[in-house]
Amino acid sequence: RKEVEQDPGPFNVPEGATVAFNCTYSNSASQSFFWYRQDCRKEPKLLMSVYSSGNEDGRFTAQLNRASQYISLLIRDSKLSDSATYLCVAHNNNDMRFGAGTRLTVKP
Amino acid sequence: NAGVMQNPRHLVRRRGQEARLRCSPMKGHSHVYWYRQLPEEGLKFMVYLQKENIIDESGMPKERFSAEFPKEGPSILRIQQVVRGDSAAYFCASSQTGKGGYTFGSGTRLTVV
Repeated sequence: RKEVEQDPGPFNVPEGATVAFNCTYSNSASQSFFWYRQDCRKEPKLLMSVYSSGNEDGRFTAQLNRASQYISLLIRDSKLSDSATYLCVAHNNNDMRFGAGTRLTVKP
Repeated sequence: NAGVMQNPRHLVRRRGQEARLRCSPMKGHSHVYWYRQLPEEGLKFMVYLQKENIIDESGMPKERFSAEFPKEGPSILRIQQVVRGDSAAYFCASSQTGKGGYTFGSGTRLTVV
């Protein structure tokens, strides 16, 4: 079983749509969680941290459910520039473990 | 701050040759991580180093692969006797505290022909 699992997609949505990504992690000792964004043939870039209380950054909302070992990302009012692969990340003692990513394409 | 610097950006090697990938972490960062990404796949953890020490190499293949982070100079990921299956993007990340939120370099794309 993979340590971090994500639906690979692809998600194809029109501009302005709301889209949600989900992720589960298997290591209950994971201490912190993140969403990264990766554009084609580029390096991953940190999008936001994820907290149990939920956190919001503009159109992006992230949520963590430790009991279910579940992480989510909600994108409201999608823009064309949101098209990318979104990587769910769980951090344990030594390193971060990445999900395989969920591909999002926002269309005009 | 130049960020995490990786070089070369692209590297072509023939089967059986050695590949050396270099990573200079962000200024002030002493934690370095190497990841491999195969086409259309996610990032796979390889190794975590701090200055002069390997902390976790659980993701490194048992043979042909080695990594170091000397007191002076960049971290080096070394692949000996490369095979076609080693073709991938290799990303380096660094962290100041080792507690997450890493910054990635632009990666080295290795092609074995």
